[in-house]
Amino acid sequence: DIQMTQSPSSLSASVGDRVTITCRASQSISTYLNWYQQNPGKAPNLLICAASSLQSGVPSRFSGSGSGTDFTLTISSLQPEDFATYYCQQSYGIPITFGQGTRLEIK
Amino acid sequence: QVQLQESGPGLVKPSETLSLSCTVSGGSVSSGSYYWTWIRQPPGKGLEWIGYIYYSGTTNYNPSLQSRVTISLDTSKNQFSLRLRSVTAADTAVYYCARWYYVSGRPFDYWGQGTLVTVSS
Repeated sequence: DIQMTQSPSSLSASVGDRVTITCRASQSISTYLNWYQQNPGKAPNLLICAASSLQSGVPSRFSGSGSGTDFTLTISSLQPEDFATYYCQQSYGIPITFGQGTRLEIK
Repeated sequence: QVQLQESGPGLVKPSETLSLSCTVSGGSVSSGSYYWTWIRQPPGKGLEWIGYIYYSGTTNYNPSLQSRVTISLDTSKNQFSLRLRSVTAADTAVYYCARWYYVSGRPFDYWGQGTLVTVSS
């Protein structure tokens, strides 16, 4: 199985801050890497696919980068609605696997 | 707009079979670009991919669950279903159905709202 490791596991930040979440794959996954946002009691919502392609309707303050084994999700200026849990996910190999999640909290 | 909706019992007894269905609207399960998927999330924990089915009937399952899981397709109802046998408390989770879009990045682009299944006597 391809292991996905996110860091940090939790993060405290303030509105307006720039934050970066990293995701590392245990082997190269090219750009078969997607990012999701999950709010409590809700299904995950796709933010970025193929490492860097912003989904339609997702604010431009979200961006993604990386290829191979190392990836990042950046939020350029945190808004109140961004405080949630974020997951990376790889679709390069079966089984499909997710990172353990990064919980973004208000400082 | 594609929508997915899970349905099924919220409580299952240990050793019995968990059965859920996912009804798709705004799209067809017979479309060749998509795989229809189940994902689960134990309370307070992360996401686990269970498996998928393609319109042709091809399936693929997580090896950790493969011996107990079956995913099937009903094109006449535009639904797909999950059966998980011999459940234990460890199978208590929110179960999501999702569409896996087999293009660049291969993301899960549409999700159901999720349904909590509790395994308890």
